Order: sequence, then structure tokens, then C-alpha cells
Amino acid sequence: GAGVSQSPRYKVAKRGQDVALRCDPISGHVSLFWYQQALGQGPEFLTYFQNEAQLDKSGLPSDRFFAERPEGSVSTLKIQRTQQEDSAVYLCASSPSRDRGTGELFFGEGSRLTVL
Amino acid sequence: AQSVTQLDSQVPVFEEAPVELRCNYSSSVSVYLFWYVQYPNQGLQLLLKYLSGSTLVESINGFEAEFNKSQTSFHLRKPSVHISDTAEYFCAVTPPTGKLIFGQGTTLQVKP
Repeated sequence: GAGVSQSPRYKVAKRGQDVALRCDPISGHVSLFWYQQALGQGPEFLTYFQNEAQLDKSGLPSDRFFAERPEGSVSTLKIQRTQQEDSAVYLCASSPSRDRGTGELFFGEGSRLTVL
Repeated sequence: AQSVTQLDSQVPVFEEAPVELRCNYSSSVSVYLFWYVQYPNQGLQLLLKYLSGSTLVESINGFEAEFNKSQTSFHLRKPSVHISDTAEYFCAVTPPTGKLIFGQGTTLQVKP
């Protein structure tokens, strides 16, 4: 497709379950970002990839969160042993620019995670 | 570190009226500034950005924002809003090599 695609769009998990969220960026985009958006809040940075290299993971809230982009295209955000505070919309964005400060980010519609 | 404050969580306005969505930022270094918009059931989209040069930047759908360094502000304005402008608007900042930091968002509700 032409845009950033995320799946699943909605995920309900029981506390303690592991979840995996997928992001298909726009073809050829070098940079990929994950953001977490809690209800009523702005998106908060989680992690950044340039091709397959994870250059910044400073926003990951705990070691239960793990992201990968093994072939420099599709990325997966994995959350282990989910907790209620993990409930949020997880946004993926991609950019054709290597300079993450100036490039326009193209966002997917997000994956809404609800942990019961 | 950078931070962004959007001073209004909700802004109700009648169609064809002017609107201003306020954004202030804090940073010890030079930053780039952005406004993103999220229409209902859609992903975030870039509305406009300031990187350098003229402090007044415009979007293709009539919005404009002015970078005011002394007041550390980047307010978004439109002289006449349309129903279709109803959306969530996010102000964001980043140092040139840093990550995008978003404000909490302002819901613009345009009423007929």
C-alpha cells in the first residue's frame, strides 16, 4: 500500500500475556519510529531505527518492551508480560530521511492495545 | 531536554470564525517546530513545519504558524475555519538530530 500499515488495529490482552504489534513502513523509507500514545496525551517516543539498526531505544519504558527491524523494512514491537499501564495506542511512523530531526514523519493509524 | 505545552485541550469555534491554537516550547538548544493533525479515524499527518528562514510558515489548507523565538511560541492560526478542520492538532519540537517531542494535543471542534 501507499501508506504506513499497522496490525492488528485493535488488540485485547489479558494481563501477563505477550503481544506483538507489526508495522509495514512506506517502501524505501530508511527511518522508522515507534511512539506510545496514552488516552488524552500526545505521542511519546519509544524507539528509532535507521534501516535495521536500532539507534535509539531510550523511550522504551521497561525491559518488557522490545522492538526489531531485522531486514530494514517491517518492524515488530513486542511487549512481554503485559500490564494494565501498557494500554495505549502504539503508533508507527516512517521517513525517507536519515536526518530524523528535519524529515516529515508518515504515521500509521496505530494499534490500540487494551490490557485487562 | 525539550518540552511542549499546548495551552488549550479543547477549542470550540463556529464555522467561518478565526481560530488560534497555542503552543509554547522549552529548549536549551535550537529546535525545529512542527504541527501535526489527526483527523477522526486517521493517522497523524504533517500540517506544517519550521526549520529555518521565514518565521511565518503556511499549509496548503489555509493554516499558518509563526515562530516567535523570544516568546518560545509556535501558535497555529486560521482566519476562517471549516467543518472539515475538526480534528486533533499536535505541536511538536525536535533538535536537529533528536527525536520528535509532542504536546498533549488540542481538539478543534468546529460547529455549524
